[in-house]
Amino acid sequence: GEDVEQSLFLSVREGDSSVINCTYTDSSSTYLYWYKQEPGAGLQLLTYIFSNMDMKQDQRLTVLLNKKDKHLSLRIADTQTGDSAIYFCAETPDNYGQNFVFGPGTRLSVLP
Amino acid sequence: NAGVTQTPKFQVLKTGQSMTLQCAQDMNHEYMSWYRQDPGMGLRLIHYSVGAGITDQGEVPNGYNVSRSTTEDFPLRLLSAAPSQTSVYFCASSYAWGQAERAEAFFGQGTRLTVV
Repeated sequence: GEDVEQSLFLSVREGDSSVINCTYTDSSSTYLYWYKQEPGAGLQLLTYIFSNMDMKQDQRLTVLLNKKDKHLSLRIADTQTGDSAIYFCAETPDNYGQNFVFGPGTRLSVLP
Repeated sequence: NAGVTQTPKFQVLKTGQSMTLQCAQDMNHEYMSWYRQDPGMGLRLIHYSVGAGITDQGEVPNGYNVSRSTTEDFPLRLLSAAPSQTSVYFCASSYAWGQAERAEAFFGQGTRLTVV
């Protein structure tokens, strides 16, 4: 079945760049997503990329997609303490396109 | 602008008790779903609905029931609570396929359930 893998923890210093990696199995996903979860809160859509794109930039965020290797990454430039959260990679493998398969989430800790 | 509202935020149940987790959205979304979040496992889909009167099972449906009598509401029922159902539950809604270019799910704040 579908599977999305992520490393569970990442620690960076304030001002550095963070790179969160994800691998997925279903090549039919039209979109791939990054969601952010702050402590005690629900998930919020951070950014997404269409499957026929290689890169998408959105202010401090850069998403890279390697469709051949089924690898997705999220780069956060100039990481701030407010970026500390859990980041989920997600794909939508079914034909209806609404059911998400989430990775386990990467907990990003930003050290001052 | 309420979005997706879940109640209660916290609940403690005894093994064998039943309860209903409430979810309501005010965005006229056709699609609604329930996920559970467990440490190190991400979110797993329990049940989903593509419109009023239509529901289907997700990855982990056992022990849960749903119904969808209105577009706005999608309650999740635990029939006989078990400690394995201790988790954080999230309700999500989005436009149905064809209503929007892509699926952006809006999540509620979650219900933290402990079964003792």
